[in-house]
Amino acid sequence: EAQVTQNPRYLITVTGKKLTVTCSQNMNHEYMSWYRQDPGLGLRQIYYSMNVEVTDKGDVPEGYKVSRKEKRNFPLILESPSPNQTSLYFCASSFYRGPGTEAFFGQGTRLTVV
Amino acid sequence: DQQVKQNSPSLSVQEGRISILNCDYTNSMFDYFLWYKKYPAEGPTFLISISSIKDKNEDGRFTVFLNKSAKHLSLHIVPSQPGDSAVYFCAASAGGGSQGNLIFGKGTKLSVKP
Repeated sequence: EAQVTQNPRYLITVTGKKLTVTCSQNMNHEYMSWYRQDPGLGLRQIYYSMNVEVTDKGDVPEGYKVSRKEKRNFPLILESPSPNQTSLYFCASSFYRGPGTEAFFGQGTRLTVV
Repeated sequence: DQQVKQNSPSLSVQEGRISILNCDYTNSMFDYFLWYKKYPAEGPTFLISISSIKDKNEDGRFTVFLNKSAKHLSLHIVPSQPGDSAVYFCAASAGGGSQGNLIFGKGTKLSVKP
């Protein structure tokens, strides 16, 4: 089954404690990205990657890091989480180009930073 | 500055009637538009898309209309069903249909009443 898998689904952590949210896709997609969803703000892109070892900032990259060492994996790293990073996070993947190659989203990770 | 705007945070319609969700954009470089549907506790799922070379695309009960001169698109659902109750996100991309760098609106919550 084609899917994007995020782990964990729920996470409560304390300010400053480094964490990683994993994302894996099995569709051989070149493009992967991370979004956060906040009430009244919709989905905002954090980082994206066009292929292995190619990453770039999205609209709200501050406080986040990513890496793309393998095509299937795109982890999101919070080196020193803060309460304003409490949010619902989604990983997405797609082929890079072409009509009909819609982005597939993971189930989401609800992060709470206290 | 918001490039993709969904000005109605919510919409309520009766089962069997038409639902019309609206979306406006400001960036004339956008050439591919998509609608995503999101249920609570799930990731967004692709619904329907339209290229800027078309003004209409239909898929079953769902039709998307694009008015490039007005920089406006709309999603029509006919007939609406209670299972259509969800948050609908409009998204846009530039650069030949690339799905990677999607810009999302804030979403419209549709409630279909039996």
